[in-house]
Amino acid sequence: DTGVSQNPRHKITKRGQNVTFRCDPISEHNRLYWYRQTLGQGPEFLTYFQNEAQLEKSRLLSDRFSAERPKGSFSTLEIQRTEQGDSAMYLCASSLEGAAYEQYFGPGTRLTVT
Amino acid sequence: SQQGEEDPQALSIQEGENATMNCSYKTSINNLQWYRQNSGRGLVHLILIRSNEREKHSGRLRVTLDTSKKSSSLLITASRAADTASYFCATSTGANSKLTFGKGITLSVRP
Repeated sequence: DTGVSQNPRHKITKRGQNVTFRCDPISEHNRLYWYRQTLGQGPEFLTYFQNEAQLEKSRLLSDRFSAERPKGSFSTLEIQRTEQGDSAMYLCASSLEGAAYEQYFGPGTRLTVT
Repeated sequence: SQQGEEDPQALSIQEGENATMNCSYKTSINNLQWYRQNSGRGLVHLILIRSNEREKHSGRLRVTLDTSKKSSSLLITASRAADTASYFCATSTGANSKLTFGKGITLSVRP
């Protein structure tokens, strides 16, 4: 399967703990995006990478959130000191560079903070 | 903030009928994409229409784009029970092509 993969698929954590999610994009895609989706809403943009460079971060991404894409391939999203409000589906997408290309999404990581 | 607004919010039809969903947006776009999401799962890309295109077809899907009205419609013909899902329109703006989604439309197709 050559689609976007995300791990883990589900994560339950206690408030205050740190969590890290991984995204493996489609291999030839140099753009990688992170989105967050809460119940009943559409996904909201968090951040994106072109190759290894993080080029934009949303205001939604507080200082507790950090994302990396060290070699321009897979990416990680870390949330420190999780809060109940962080409970959501975290979606990763990848695409080729340019305005004319589709973004392909992974299955998401569902985070529950208790 | 969410740029796209889909209409209606929920749609229930009989299998075999056509389903039409509308999306309006606020700013100039590079392209508009429609996605499907089954309950609690990832988004599946359905179709992309560029800002200089007016209509596009893919199988049972037909998408139109009216940039003067800042609106798009998605038509699913001969619907099937398997089409039951949430449908989102997403607009791409700027060089980074980040997507801005609406809240989605819940489509139920009754067998």
